Amino acid sequence: GEDVEQSLFLSVREGDSSVINCTYTDSSSTYLYWYKQEPGAGLQLLTYIFSNMDMKQDQRLTVLLNKKDKHLSLRIADTQTGDSAIYFCAARTGANNLFFGTGTRLTVIP
Amino acid sequence: DAEITQSPRHKITETGRQVTLACHQTWNHNNMFWYRQDLGHGLRLIHYSYGVHDTNKGEVSDGYSVSRSNTEDLPLTLESAASSQTSVYFCASSPGQGHTEAFFGQGTRLTVV
Repeated sequence: GEDVEQSLFLSVREGDSSVINCTYTDSSSTYLYWYKQEPGAGLQLLTYIFSNMDMKQDQRLTVLLNKKDKHLSLRIADTQTGDSAIYFCAARTGANNLFFGTGTRLTVIP
Repeated sequence: DAEITQSPRHKITETGRQVTLACHQTWNHNNMFWYRQDLGHGLRLIHYSYGVHDTNKGEVSDGYSVSRSNTEDLPLTLESAASSQTSVYFCASSPGQGHTEAFFGQGTRLTVV
């Protein structure tokens, strides 16, 4: 199956930009996703990118995809304390299965 | 509003007991999934279903089973609970092929003692 890797922790100061990185192994992955999990809650879809795109911007969120290196990143501009959460990268293979990374715990320091 | 609900939210059970976790969605989605979330492992797929009477094994299916007798429900059964199955379990559903957002339940925290 697909392996999706993320670093476990990231700390940033309020107002700075956050960049969360992810790598995946299956080059046939069709869609790549970023999910956010707040404490005690399920996962909420933040954004996604189709594999034939390089970049997608959605308000404060920018997703960059380097398909050659199988590298995905999520940039959050002007990070706020409410952005503190665990962020999961996920890759969809040819079937309908989602493979998740370990999650990156983002801590925003006031 | 349509939704996906899991029950119970918390459960403590003893080793060797059979446990069933419920998942119910009201979107009429074809696809349903069960994941477990463990520190350092992210979410790992246990079982999934693409429709009524369809079930498939995921990455970590040993010790678990599912059945899909209708569109709305995918109960997850632990045949004989083990301490290694202490985890947070998430159910998800999605409509079908292509880009389809997977909607997640709130999770069930299961402790096996």
